[in-house]
Amino acid sequence: EVQLLESGGGLVQPGGSLRLSCAASGFTFSSYAMSWVRQAPGKGLEWVSTISGSGGSTYYADSVKGRFTISRDNSKNTLYLQMNSLRAEDTAVYYCTKMYGSSGWLQPFDYWGQGTLVTVSS
Amino acid sequence: SYELTQPLSVSVALGQTARITCGGNNFGSKSVHWYQQKPGQAPVLVIYRNTNRPSGIPERFSGSNSGNTATLTISRAQAGDEADYYCQVWDSSTVVFGGGTKLTVL
Repeated sequence: EVQLLESGGGLVQPGGSLRLSCAASGFTFSSYAMSWVRQAPGKGLEWVSTISGSGGSTYYADSVKGRFTISRDNSKNTLYLQMNSLRAEDTAVYYCTKMYGSSGWLQPFDYWGQGTLVTVSS
Repeated sequence: SYELTQPLSVSVALGQTARITCGGNNFGSKSVHWYQQKPGQAPVLVIYRNTNRPSGIPERFSGSNSGNTATLTISRAQAGDEADYYCQVWDSSTVVFGGGTKLTVL
């Protein structure tokens, strides 16, 4: 059974940093691309970033490019999202998602974690 | 930037067929994926690559993509189908979600 468990969310001040983690199990982690998708309170889904199975390719939404960094440790079956220069508009539930294939490109998000809440406020 | 257009809400009578549309330019060349999200829960993939159902998704859920519109069809709608539904595509190297459609089963 695929399981994705996010951690690291919390309250942070504007301009601050936070690192999210996602522990994956139930599949061969290194064979699949992974992504982060967020959802602001009461709003729709917004894609944040994708990383290929090998970690060699990464993609970012314009809204986070230059501030967020996605990475993975295939030896630990763990996905990360380093978030710097946080803004109020980054407040959202952040979902860790597994993608259907190894590259991620054109693929759907076939499994989702339960999400971790990030609140950016002074 | 690429945009996907969904109706804010769709209503369907219990047992009838609901159709949720998703519009975008040059849609026919793109693979459209659909997600269901119930209140307080994470989204679930219900249709991928326009017409394919993941294992565990009832046959009542189907998808199509023609011209500039993709459609998620839910046959014999049940109370448990009440949820928000999102379409999604890749455009170049970015992911785009539609704004979401709230399905109400009357």
